[in-house]
Amino acid sequence: ETGVTQTPRHLVMGMTNKKSLKCEQHLGHNAMYWYKQSAKKPLELMFVYSLEERVENNSVPSRFSPECPNSSHLFLHLHTLQPEDSALYLCASSQDSGNTEAFFGQGTRLTVV
Amino acid sequence: AQKVTQAQTEISVVEKEDVTLDCVYETRDTTYYLFWYKQPPSGELVFLIRRNSFDEQNEISGRYSWNFQKSTSSFNFTITASQVVDSAVYFCALSEQAAGNKLTFGGGTRVLVKP
Repeated sequence: ETGVTQTPRHLVMGMTNKKSLKCEQHLGHNAMYWYKQSAKKPLELMFVYSLEERVENNSVPSRFSPECPNSSHLFLHLHTLQPEDSALYLCASSQDSGNTEAFFGQGTRLTVV
Repeated sequence: AQKVTQAQTEISVVEKEDVTLDCVYETRDTTYYLFWYKQPPSGELVFLIRRNSFDEQNEISGRYSWNFQKSTSSFNFTITASQVVDSAVYFCALSEQAAGNKLTFGGGTRVLVKP
C-alpha cells in the first residue's frame, strides 16, 4: 500500500462538468498539499492544509475548491474548468508544515475538453 | 522571492556512465532547505534527499551523491554508474524556513539512460 493514494488516476471532463479529485494518506501526517504540474510550467503549489485548516491558497482561481475533512483525506473539487487547467495534479503530505520532506501520490492526469 | 533553476532540460547517457544534474537556487532567507525528488514514468515524486542551509557536508547514498556549495548557491546531484532504472525526471526544490513547507521546484531534468 502506497503512503499517498490519489483517485482517479485519469480524468477527462468537459468545461461545464463538476468533478472531484481525492487524496488519502496513510502516513499519519498532519499537513497535506495540492500541486499542479503542467507541461509548460514548473510544479506549482496550489493549497496547503495543516491540521485540517487551510494555511495557504496560492492565488488559485475559485474554480478549484479544496476540502480537507480530516488529516488523512484531501479533496480538490473542480467546476467550470478551462482547457488550460489540463495538467497532472499531485497530492502530497508531510509530518507537519515545517520544512519536512513531503511524500507524493502518483497524481491525477486531468484533461479538460 | 525564491527561485530554483535547473538549466539542463534533458540528459542522455549510456548505462554505467556518471551523470551530474545541476541545481542553482535563489533565496533571501538565511535558513532554508533543499530537496531532490525523482519522478519516474508512473508519476509520483519520490523523495531523495533534504539538506538544510547550515549543513554543507556532501552526502553519498549508494550511487547517489550530492554537492552543496553555498558560495555558488548550488546543490548538484550525481548518479554514479547510471542504470536504466535511473531514467526519470529529477526535480530540485527549495523551501524557506519562514515560509514553512512550501516547495518551490525547478523545471526538472529528464535523464534518459540507454542500455
